[in-house]
Amino acid sequence: GQQLNQSPQSMFIQEGEDVSMNCTSSSIFNTWLWYKQDPGEGPVLLIALYKAGELTSNGRLTAQFGITRKDSFLNISASIPSDVGIYFCAGQLAGTASKLTFGTGTRLQVTL
Amino acid sequence: GAGVSQTPSNKVTEKGKYVELRCDPISGHTALYWYRQSLGQGPEFLIYFQGTGAADDSGLPNDRFFAVRPEGSVSTLKIQRTERGDSAVYLCASSPGTGSYNEQFFGPGTRLTVL
Repeated sequence: GQQLNQSPQSMFIQEGEDVSMNCTSSSIFNTWLWYKQDPGEGPVLLIALYKAGELTSNGRLTAQFGITRKDSFLNISASIPSDVGIYFCAGQLAGTASKLTFGTGTRLQVTL
Repeated sequence: GAGVSQTPSNKVTEKGKYVELRCDPISGHTALYWYRQSLGQGPEFLIYFQGTGAADDSGLPNDRFFAVRPEGSVSTLKIQRTERGDSAVYLCASSPGTGSYNEQFFGPGTRLTVL
């Protein structure tokens, strides 16, 4: 099935650094979402974006819905050890109800 | 309140066998989704139910895969004649209902290993 292109695949950063990851699609979405998945768990929603150009924050997380509706980015500021995990973007295609298409994931590792 | 639960958490089976995976959604959620996550990949959509009916089964890979939700609550994903390529984590999610957007809450998944 289709998966969105997400980059980078993995990141090793030091505690306190800022992190940026992005997601691109060949298809237009009407909703973009960012999830975090810890080992042995299901994905947990971090941020949801509903409108092209929208910039939304949730604590140290900031995400934007690209103006073309084909991309999104997620920034994490001042990373901490508990930010470790796999981050997935997901989109909902225009015209479909509720089916999510996920990205390939970005694995984040934070060193002290 | 309980979240989405899935049983079993792990299932090991032999090639050619039949397996059933169960999902208990959050109480009151009318929409239920199944996704499959292969190692190192993001979840891939399989099927979703609105109430008792399958509203979209376009992600089911072939006719060995089938899912039911007879009373609009618990759902069972059934896989016949399992193959090694079916090995993956099967995730279930539920949401309050469909519409422009309803957050999907995921369970911990069932890890299926086909030997």
